[in-house]
Amino acid sequence: GENVEQHPSTLSVQEGDSAVIKCTYSDSASNYFPWYKQELGKRPQLIIDIRSNVGEKKDQRIAVTLNKTAKHFSLHITETQPEDSAVYFCAASKGAQKLVFGQGTRLTINP
Amino acid sequence: EAGVAQSPRYKIIEKRQSVAFWCNPISGHATLYWYQQILGQGPKLLIQFQNNGVVDDSQLPKDRFSAERLKGVDSTLKIQPAKLEDSAVYLCASSLDPYSNTIYFGEGSWLTVV
Repeated sequence: GENVEQHPSTLSVQEGDSAVIKCTYSDSASNYFPWYKQELGKRPQLIIDIRSNVGEKKDQRIAVTLNKTAKHFSLHITETQPEDSAVYFCAASKGAQKLVFGQGTRLTINP
Repeated sequence: EAGVAQSPRYKIIEKRQSVAFWCNPISGHATLYWYQQILGQGPKLLIQFQNNGVVDDSQLPKDRFSAERLKGVDSTLKIQPAKLEDSAVYLCASSLDPYSNTIYFGEGSWLTVV
């Protein structure tokens, strides 16, 4: 089955700098790649997603890139702010198959 | 729009006891999921329903876990008997259908087994 690896497990950046989180997946048939943000004690919330027919997608300060050949995708957050501090999860799925999540990255924005 | 509702939010039980969690998905969402999230890990799918039928329960420990969605709306997840390693957050989620991919999570039910 699908396996998703996420790196790094923790990331600390200065406010205003950029943050990048990377994920690799094992099943070349996977075609949907969402990113979820989870604040302490809260539900995971979808922040951006990308499908396999697109190489990059951007939404304000957040962007996701996908490299199907290498089977990896990344989350980019620019101009980071304190409210970006949270745990971020990547995931992958194909068709109606279940979402498989990465282990998570704890992002800390230092003022 | 109301989100996915779950209860109870917190539960502490002793090992070998039983516990049940309830979930009400977003109105009109045919697909319902139960995920287990152990501290420091990503959510892991336990069971997926399409209306009142089970689509995937391959990772559900069926000797102790059971789930149902009898009328295709609300769902209940039960653990009996509980083990220490069952301590986790149990997240219910829903989506319009299994192909829409976008799933919406509830706040979760936090279980501590002592």
